[in-house]
Amino acid sequence: DARVTQTPRHKVTEMGQEVTMRCQPILGHNTVFWYRQTMMQGLELLAYFRNRAPLDDSGMPKDRFSAEMPDATLATLKIQPSEPRDSAVYFCASGRQGTTGANVLTFGAGSRLTVL
Amino acid sequence: AQSVTQLGSHVSVSEGALVLLRCNYSSSVPPYLFWYVQYPNQGLQLLLKYTTGATLVKGINGFEAEFKKSETSFHLTKPSAHMSDAAEYFCAVSAGILTGGGNKLTFGTGTQLKVEL
Repeated sequence: DARVTQTPRHKVTEMGQEVTMRCQPILGHNTVFWYRQTMMQGLELLAYFRNRAPLDDSGMPKDRFSAEMPDATLATLKIQPSEPRDSAVYFCASGRQGTTGANVLTFGAGSRLTVL
Repeated sequence: AQSVTQLGSHVSVSEGALVLLRCNYSSSVPPYLFWYVQYPNQGLQLLLKYTTGATLVKGINGFEAEFKKSETSFHLTKPSAHMSDAAEYFCAVSAGILTGGGNKLTFGTGTQLKVEL
């Protein structure tokens, strides 16, 4: 089965450090989404891309978060500087936007971030 | 703007009993609706989706959901619960590209399903 691969699976870091999370979408998928999951807020959309172009990053704190797609096989989410409130599980998901517009997403296993 | 409300953050059923997880949506355009399941320490997995056409949709693992426009609901059901169904379930809504609403998913807060012997 094709999978969305996320690295690292777990990351523990100290406040103020830079954190980079990576995602390899499924080959042939043209949309990539970043979600954050916490107990308090549930699943929040941070950013998404279509054909590598950013379409919506309104859910992302601009001062410290950035999301990019350097190429079709890699999406990155960077936090600089990290804060304890960024502790969460970050999910990447990819999909193929077809003619029906029903964007069925395949999720990665997530990157669990703990900021001390 | 779109939103999803899942009634009941925790649902407990006996093995073999009916599973009913409730989802109501709000959308200014015809919605696409989804149910995802999340097992511990894993990502979300698609159970089923409604786009157009038949309002009763069947998914994996014996689950099904019915789109009811008049009630703005998309409840998830399974006739007989199994221990392996214990997980968190998320309802999600999307506007779809054809209506110009973008293609991002908005998720509900999730319902944790517990299955007891």
